Parts: sequence; structure tokens; C-alpha cells
Amino acid sequence: SQELEQSPQSLIVQEGKNLTINCTSSKTLYGLYWYKQKYGEGLIFLMMLQKGGEEKSHEKITAKLDEKKQQSSLHITASQPSHAGIYLCGADVSGAGSYQLTFGKGTKLSVIP
Amino acid sequence: GAVVSQHPSRVICKSGTSVKIECRSLDFQATTMFWYRQFPKKSLMLMATSNEGSKATYEQGVEKDKFLINHASLTLSTLTVTSAHPEDSSFYICSARGGRGRNQPQHFGDGTRLSIL
Repeated sequence: SQELEQSPQSLIVQEGKNLTINCTSSKTLYGLYWYKQKYGEGLIFLMMLQKGGEEKSHEKITAKLDEKKQQSSLHITASQPSHAGIYLCGADVSGAGSYQLTFGKGTKLSVIP
Repeated sequence: GAVVSQHPSRVICKSGTSVKIECRSLDFQATTMFWYRQFPKKSLMLMATSNEGSKATYEQGVEKDKFLINHASLTLSTLTVTSAHPEDSSFYICSARGGRGRNQPQHFGDGTRLSIL
């Protein structure tokens, strides 16, 4: 079964609109990482969350990890065409110290000018 | 900082050819490197984890003799797809992680698109 569920699978928004992407796990998240990928390219690291209740922001992107450390959200304020791409959450769900990440299937974001 | 270079970006070759993909950390020492395979509309699938100077740890279902991984230095890991066949065609991505603490993210290369004819 998929350990990390991302929703929605795809999203089309008008430029300037806000949006939220969710990442949910059935297991405790020992580390949660958000990446952005353009089709056919590598992943760009956005943010890392480790503590329950933690929130980080970079420019117009804010990521949160809930208190129970089983869900994270990525919020984009006033979206721009440059935000378009595939957003992936990756998580350490083992806590075993291998630092291996399990990834969600990604959320494809399109921003219409 | 934290730049990972992956080469080549695209390979097209005949069935039966062996293909080597390089992954280099350019501005940090990568104690651990990971190799993933990505299928269209699917999650990244971890193939193996390699630590410098030791044998790679392969995930279940990944053939060790098919996908040879070498992590000879703290800045270089290679993945060799031996006797590649059309079913090996895919997008392969490496990542590198520096340090041993929990606060080190994986940094990814740009991926290699492998097409076997």
C-alpha cells in the first residue's frame, strides 16, 4: 500500500490564487521533505520539517507538519507561473537511521496566467 | 550550495549494451548516495543506497547483478545498467546526502533518461 498519500493529484489555478497540497502518512514521519520537480528533470529541495507543529516559509511557500507528525501541508500564496511543476513529499517513515525516503506520487500544479 | 551533477542526461542505445551513469556531489562530501527509478505518474522508487567505501544496499526486487553500483569516493557514485533491455528504459535519478545527522536533506541530480531500443 502507498505509505504517503498526496492530494490533490493535480491542480490548476489562476495566477494570483492561493493553493494547498497535502501529504498524509499512516506512520509517524521522522522527517518530512518537500521537493519540486519539472517534468523530466531532477528534484529541487524546498523545505524540511522534523518537529511536530513545525512551520517553515520560503518566499511565498509555507510548509507545516502537524503535531502528530503524520500530515504535512504545502501552501503557496499568490501563485505565479513559475510555481508550476510537480510537488513531491518525501518522508523518513522508518526512523531507523538509514535516512531513506519514501515518496508520494506527486501533485502536478499548473498556473494559468 | 548542495549541487549534485548527474551525467549523462539522456542515453539511447541498443539492447544488450551496458550503460554507466555518474552522480557527483560538487560542493559537499556525500556520505550516502541513493539511486531511484521513476516511472510516469508514479512515485520515485528507491533502487539502492550506497555508502562510500562499502557495498550498496539494494531494495527488494532490484537485481544486484543488473544494476551495479559503485561509490568509490565521497563525491562520486556510479550506476551501471548491465546488458540493458527495453524494459530497463526509464528515468533514473540519484541523490546525495552529506553528514550523518537527521537534519541533512537529500539533494538530487537532474536525472538520466535511458531509452533502450
